[in-house]
Amino acid sequence: GENVEQHPSTLSVQEGDSAVIKCTYSDSASNYFPWYKQELGKGPQLIIDIRSNVGEKKDQRIAVTLNKTAKHFSLHITETQPEDSAVYFCAAPRDSSYKLIFGSGTRLLVRP
Amino acid sequence: GAVVSQHPSWVICKSGTSVKIECRSLDFQATTMFWYRQFPKQSLMLMATSNEGSKATYEQGVEKDKFLINHASLTLSTLTVTSAHPEDSSFYICSAPRAGNDNEQFFGPGTRLTVL
Repeated sequence: GENVEQHPSTLSVQEGDSAVIKCTYSDSASNYFPWYKQELGKGPQLIIDIRSNVGEKKDQRIAVTLNKTAKHFSLHITETQPEDSAVYFCAAPRDSSYKLIFGSGTRLLVRP
Repeated sequence: GAVVSQHPSWVICKSGTSVKIECRSLDFQATTMFWYRQFPKQSLMLMATSNEGSKATYEQGVEKDKFLINHASLTLSTLTVTSAHPEDSSFYICSAPRAGNDNEQFFGPGTRLTVL
């Protein structure tokens, strides 16, 4: 079955700097890789996702890169702002289904 | 994006009582919904898959008699925590994939359960 590892567990950056969070997965058949942002006391919100037919996707300050050969994908946030502070989770589908296996999460703190 | 709601947003109950949590897809139909549990400062753990018109399937280690799931319609799934105990206190989150959206799932806002 799928196994997703995420690091770092915590990340503190100065406002305006970039933040990078990395995940690895084990199932080479996985073809969908979402990233979620979770604020305290709320459900996860999808911020960006990537499918296996592309290597990079960008949406304003957020980008995701995928390396299928190495089985890892990364979230890049540029020009970080205090409101980016939250817990970020990567995920990958289990057994090519809708079931998602989540990484352990990264607590991002953006210092003003 | 699609909207998934949960009710209640929080609930406090006494040990031994049962609590029902509702998950609704507001603007799309969901034949499948998922229930997750999240303990403080931890990741989301899949508990079960709710299937409209058939029995739910549970992940290994999740007691089906304790966490009753009913998928009553194409827009509603309910999770009932029976005979709740303090160790059941957690954040329960549901999600639903929208047909044709190729894996994309929409999450509810979560329900905070505290069992005294």
